[in-house]
Amino acid sequence: DADVTQTPRNRITKTGKRIMLECSQTKGHDRMYWYRQDPGLGLRLIYYSFDVKDINKGEISDGYSVSRQAQAKFSLSLESAIPNQTALYFCATSMSSHSPLHFGNGTRLTVT
Amino acid sequence: GQQVMQIPQYQHVQEGEDFTTYCNSSTTLSNIQWYKQRPGGHPVFLIQLVKSGEVKKQKRLTFQFGEAKKNSSLHITATQTTDVGTYFCASYSGAGSYQLTFGKGTKLSVIP
Repeated sequence: DADVTQTPRNRITKTGKRIMLECSQTKGHDRMYWYRQDPGLGLRLIYYSFDVKDINKGEISDGYSVSRQAQAKFSLSLESAIPNQTALYFCATSMSSHSPLHFGNGTRLTVT
Repeated sequence: GQQVMQIPQYQHVQEGEDFTTYCNSSTTLSNIQWYKQRPGGHPVFLIQLVKSGEVKKQKRLTFQFGEAKKNSSLHITATQTTDVGTYFCASYSGAGSYQLTFGKGTKLSVIP
């Protein structure tokens, strides 16, 4: 959805570097999520947030951190990138509990 | 945590043939959602099933939720090249769960 915008679209970085992936939304949804997609593994939840002061770990949070600066913004950070964090990262939003997710276009991250 | 097993992982069909993907869980699901991801794209919500034994149709797509709410299927009648992509099922493990867990997906290829 164009209403969920991820930047950058592609990023190549080196092992040990700190990087941040940004997500912003104009849907007015309270709930925001970060997922990681690897070939053959589907989508795995990294972190999720239900409002500005709420941060929750997902299935694979180790090595990642997040910040919910405002209702519309949810950023994902890799403090010290490693090659096995090479993946496609998706931000998503939802209106309420158990409602459908709306995904951004994704950020393809390569760690060399 | 909650796991939804999805089969097959890949399916190649001739255009005009039918296609089915299955999603199974060892525990009762509160609901099940289906998403489609086109090549190079992001997951897009298709439908949500909530009730035991529920069947919903969208043109050539038929979605079913099992009587025990432990399995679901997506059937496409007379596939077209526009059906190409990866189909994911996803579910919350229970009423108190806030994590949407995705199956690993079925990648559909349609041979013209």
